[in-house]
Amino acid sequence: KQEVTQIPAALSVPEGENLVLNCSFTDSAIYNLQWFRQDPGKGLTSLLLIQSSQREQTSGRLNASLDKSSGRSTLYIAASQPGDSATYLCAVKGGSEKLVFGKGTKLTVNP
Amino acid sequence: EPEVTQTPSHQVTQMGQEVILRCVPISNHLYFYWYRQILGQKVEFLVSFYNNEISEKSEIFDDQFSVERPDGSNFTLKIRSTKLEDSAMYFCATNTGYDGELFFGEGSRLTVL
Repeated sequence: KQEVTQIPAALSVPEGENLVLNCSFTDSAIYNLQWFRQDPGKGLTSLLLIQSSQREQTSGRLNASLDKSSGRSTLYIAASQPGDSATYLCAVKGGSEKLVFGKGTKLTVNP
Repeated sequence: EPEVTQTPSHQVTQMGQEVILRCVPISNHLYFYWYRQILGQKVEFLVSFYNNEISEKSEIFDDQFSVERPDGSNFTLKIRSTKLEDSAMYFCATNTGYDGELFFGEGSRLTVL
């Protein structure tokens, strides 16, 4: 059974800092991995999708990497801003229809 | 930009009542899903729907739950007899293909009293 873990559970940084969020999964047989952002009481906004054949994806200040063999992904956020404050969720898709989610990392960027 | 639309945004109901949550998928998307998130917990898969039938469901999706696409546009989740533990945020999600990027709606918050 796939399990997804995100560390740390919460992170507080000053504005402008570069940071890394971690995601690990127990079963390396995945189709893809997706990073989402969730603001309090809101839906999930897709940030990046990495297919199993890819090593990384970039969008603006965000860069996500995937190491399938070790069951790890990282989300790198460059030059963080207060507007980046949110919960970041990692989710993997294996050999079934569903995404399996981690519990998320709550990020606070302080002005 | 196309988006997944969900109604209602918040519904309060009494235990034992029926609830219908509605979703309008992105127009060219073919795969539809319902997920839920109990407060403070992980987002959990409920059901996937493709080609007008359920393609996969979780153990949470028992006989009190049903889904349908009655008019070719709306995708609905019905909970027949709500329980206190059904209180959660319910998310509709859609994508164009099996391994495509998944797009979520803003969610419907269900409160069962």
